[in-house]
Amino acid sequence: SQQGEEDPQALSIQEGENATMNCSYKTSINNLQWYRQNSGRGLVHLILIRSNEREKHSGRLRVTLDTSKKSSSLLITASRAADTASYFCATDADTGNQFYFGTGTSLTVIP
Amino acid sequence: GAGVSQSPSNKVTEKGKDVELRCDPISGHTALYWYRQSLGQGLEFLIYFQGNSAPDKSGLPSDRFSAERTGGSVSTLTIQRTQQEDSAVYLCASSLESGSRNEQFFGPGTRLTVL
Repeated sequence: SQQGEEDPQALSIQEGENATMNCSYKTSINNLQWYRQNSGRGLVHLILIRSNEREKHSGRLRVTLDTSKKSSSLLITASRAADTASYFCATDADTGNQFYFGTGTSLTVIP
Repeated sequence: GAGVSQSPSNKVTEKGKDVELRCDPISGHTALYWYRQSLGQGLEFLIYFQGNSAPDKSGLPSDRFSAERTGGSVSTLTIQRTQQEDSAVYLCASSLESGSRNEQFFGPGTRLTVL
């Protein structure tokens, strides 16, 4: 299946450090999105990157996409305790409207 | 409302019973998705509605699962003869239009526990 895989599964860092999470997928995509999920809550959209884009920024977030390697990374700079959450990438298939979510990276930012 | 709402927030049922989960999408959103999230896992796509088109049911795990969307708005996910493996959080999301360029807005989910 197209389901993405994030790594690492879990990441623990000190406040102020940068956090990098990676997402790999299997088939060609049109778009890739990153979402955040706080414990016990729904997902919140963070950023979308199109297949013809290589890098995108939004505040403290930086997303890269390497379609040749079928991978994306999410960098959170100057992390805060409030960034503690699970982060998921979501990809589409080349056709259709389905989204495929990875298993997520659980980020803990220690104050 | 301001966002996607789901009800109930929690549902405990006995094995073999039927359950109905409700989703109220954001007004004006034409696309609606249902996902299932087991403990510590990613989201498993279940079903997708887009306007008046036939839904994409390709993710439904068995014929015990069904969903409908009335009037292009509220959606109900029904699980018949529930099994313990159905225990999970069921998430609904809506987006303005279909297609992966559109942000999905998620509800808080319904936590289903089958005893």
